[in-house]
This record gives sequence, structure tokens and C-alpha cells, in this order.
Amino acid sequence: QKEVEQNSGPLSVPEGAIASLNCTYSDRGSQSFFWYRQYSGKSPELIMSIYSNGDKEDGRFTAQLNKASQYVSLLIRDSQPSDSATYLCAVNSGANNLFFGTGTRLTVIP
Amino acid sequence: NAGVTQTPKFQVLKTGQSMTLQCAQDMNHNSMYWYRQDPGMGLRLIYYSASEGTTDKGEVPNGYNVSRLNKREFSLRLESAAPSQTSVYFCASSRGVSYNSPLHFGNGTRLTVT
Repeated sequence: QKEVEQNSGPLSVPEGAIASLNCTYSDRGSQSFFWYRQYSGKSPELIMSIYSNGDKEDGRFTAQLNKASQYVSLLIRDSQPSDSATYLCAVNSGANNLFFGTGTRLTVIP
Repeated sequence: NAGVTQTPKFQVLKTGQSMTLQCAQDMNHNSMYWYRQDPGMGLRLIYYSASEGTTDKGEVPNGYNVSRLNKREFSLRLESAAPSQTSVYFCASSRGVSYNSPLHFGNGTRLTVT
């Protein structure tokens, strides 16, 4: 079983809609959770981090964490074509044990 | 402020050749990492250096060596390249190895081994 699972997509949403990206993880002891955005041919860049259960909002982005269900999600409100990218979920299960999912490719259709 | 700088950006090697990928960060970070990214496999940790003077193996260390030259620089060496090492390599750094230190990535090196 992979440490971090993501639906590879592609996920297509119309411009202005809400995009919902999901991630599950296997280690119940995981402490921190990150969402990275990666444009094609570019390096990953951090967009959200979350450490405790509940929601964390930053602009159009909301990260949601449910440790009991071992589930973390990213919502993108008012999706824009510039949001089209691959979104990587990363889960830290201890010092230097940062596991990445394979990513979900999001396409926002104008 | 350049962040994390990797060189070269592209490289083609023949099987058996050696090369060193260079990485430098100017964020005064303590920890540095080397990842490889392959289609369908996600990012996988090759080696990391929690602090200057220390290095440790990650998930896929075979065929690689690393050197933490100083606090700023962390190099990755392929002694005898193999086609299986064709990949995109990313260097990253963080404040520390604690769980709340996100990674900052360099722009990557696209390596092809023929």
C-alpha cells in the first residue's frame, strides 16, 4: 500500500467552479500535511500546509484535514485557468519521512 | 534572493559515465534533500542532509552518492550512470527536519541516460 494516495485525474472543472482534490495516507502517526502545485516542466511550489484537524483557508485555497479518516483535501474556489497544474499531496510521518503522492492533474476550462 | 539553485538544467549521459549535480541554497536552511521524479511514481527521496556534516539515505539511494560541502551546498553524484537513472532530479531545502518545515525546491535537472 502506498503511503500517500491521490487520484491521478485528470480533473477538469469550468472556470469559476470549485475544484476539489483529495488525498489519503496510511500512517496514522502523520503530523503534517502539505499541498504543492507543480506546473508542467517546473518545480513543485508550496501552496498550503496544515497540521491540525479542520479547515485552513488562504485566499481561494482551503485545506481540510481529518486525521481520524486519514484524509486531507484541497479546495480551490473560483478556479482560474492559471490554476491548471498538477497538485501534489505530501505527508510527513516523522523527521525526514515526507512522502509525496503521485499528484492530481487539474485542468480549468475557460 | 535566488532560493535553491541547481545545475545543470539538462544533461545527457551514456551508460557508465559519471556526473555530479550541484545544488546551492541561500536561505540559510539547515536541511537539504535530493529527490527524483518519475512519471507515475511521484517524488522519491534519494538522500538528505539534516544538517551540515550529516547525510542519510532516503527511499532510493542505490547508485548515488552525496556530499554536503557546507551549509549552502549539497551535491549528488552518479558514479556509473544507468538508463534507470533517467529522471528529473530536484534539490530541496528546509529550515530543519522537523515536521513543520516545508520544502523549497530548485528548478530541477532533467537527466537522460542512453
